[in-house]
Amino acid sequence: DIQMTQSPSSLSASVGDRVTITCRASQTISRRLNWYQHKPGKAPKLLIYKASSLQSGVPSRFSGSDSGTDFTLTISSLQLEDFATYYCQQGYSPPYTFGQGTKLEIQ
Amino acid sequence: EGQLVESGGGLVQSGRSLRLSCAASGFRFDVYAMHWVRQAPGKGLEWVSSINWNSGIIVYADSVRGRFAMSRDNAKNSVYLEMNSLRGEDMALYFCAKDTAYSPSPDNAFDISGQGTMVTVSS
Repeated sequence: DIQMTQSPSSLSASVGDRVTITCRASQTISRRLNWYQHKPGKAPKLLIYKASSLQSGVPSRFSGSDSGTDFTLTISSLQLEDFATYYCQQGYSPPYTFGQGTKLEIQ
Repeated sequence: EGQLVESGGGLVQSGRSLRLSCAASGFRFDVYAMHWVRQAPGKGLEWVSSINWNSGIIVYADSVRGRFAMSRDNAKNSVYLEMNSLRGEDMALYFCAKDTAYSPSPDNAFDISGQGTMVTVSS
């Protein structure tokens, strides 16, 4: 199975900050990496698919990039509504594993 | 964009069965792969199962293979998850999801629009 290692597990930041979350795959996944935002009591929201494609309706302050098996989610200027837990997920081969999550909290 | 509405969750004894349903609307259902994802209380997200557009390919997480069965009915715009031999570790909020890409090449990225259905397993 492909392991997804996400870091950091938690992060404190302020409104307006630039934030990056990273995810490393245990083997090549050909850019089949997706990012989700999850708030308690709500459905997980797909932000980025195939490493860098912005899902329809997602603000442009969210972006994704990659280098080999390393993937990055960047939020360019944090807004209050961005405080949530973020997950990466590989869509390359089943089981379609998620990272363990990054909890983004207000500093 | 479309909408997905999950149903069928509830309280069930360990070892018993439950069938989840997911009704789709607002998009052409029969060209998309569909998926089930779950979140146990206090835990992260876990992929459960996926089915391609014509039910020709169905895959499962190791934790549910042999106990769960995913199916779809394109005439009813619905997917299902038959869950047998339920265990405590199956207790979770279950979401169904639409893939982001048309068949025959799904992205295996999960576009979730419903609120999920809760499965509670008692011992």
